[in-house]
Amino acid sequence: GAGVSQSPSNKVTEKGKDVELRCDPISGHTALYWYRQSLGQGLEFLIYFQGNSAPDKSGLPSDRFSAERTGGSVSTLTIQRTQQEDSAVYLCASSLRKGGEETQYFGPGTRLLVL
Amino acid sequence: AQSVTQLGSHVSVSEGALVLLRCNYSSSVPPYLFWYVQYPNQGLQLLLKYTSAATLVKGINGFEAEFKKSETSFHLTKPSAHMSDAAEYFCAVRRSGGSNYKLTFGKGTLLTVNP
Repeated sequence: GAGVSQSPSNKVTEKGKDVELRCDPISGHTALYWYRQSLGQGLEFLIYFQGNSAPDKSGLPSDRFSAERTGGSVSTLTIQRTQQEDSAVYLCASSLRKGGEETQYFGPGTRLLVL
Repeated sequence: AQSVTQLGSHVSVSEGALVLLRCNYSSSVPPYLFWYVQYPNQGLQLLLKYTSAATLVKGINGFEAEFKKSETSFHLTKPSAHMSDAAEYFCAVRRSGGSNYKLTFGKGTLLTVNP
């Protein structure tokens, strides 16, 4: 079946602009994660959605970052007033949790460059 | 808090040689451990995972890893390297309880395979 898809695959923006990154999880997966991969910080957790529960936003680096998940499926990560340090690869992962078992499946990522 | 340390940011082997990528973890509770592989400009692909069952875990592409609690290690091995194994490898840890199954990643090890 189809895997996790993300769009756009690449995004170049100017400092101060807002950007939206999209994630389409695997159909039926109830959990969705956003991670950021940057040269300086490696792979970092950003935010987690599980079903209809309130998201865990504990990894968001500042209030310029926000995310939503509509209808328990598609998710959008929004970065307002982008800064050069926001340049990174943003990865989305989804999973189907069965008891305590879960495997996260990753999308190809969105490469964001802030000029 | 959990953490993962990958020893060696870059490992170079000859084709046909043993691959050994090192991962040590720190966790106050029994962890779940994962190895992911990332090919250039792609997302993360799960190689294998340890979830408290068998300590020797076999994964895809001939890779395996052994969980050693006494050494807090989860090293990844493959008896004979192929050129196609050249990629970046990430070890990750996740707690076994709670609701947010976010992954905490190591810094990654870039594997180069020489002909």
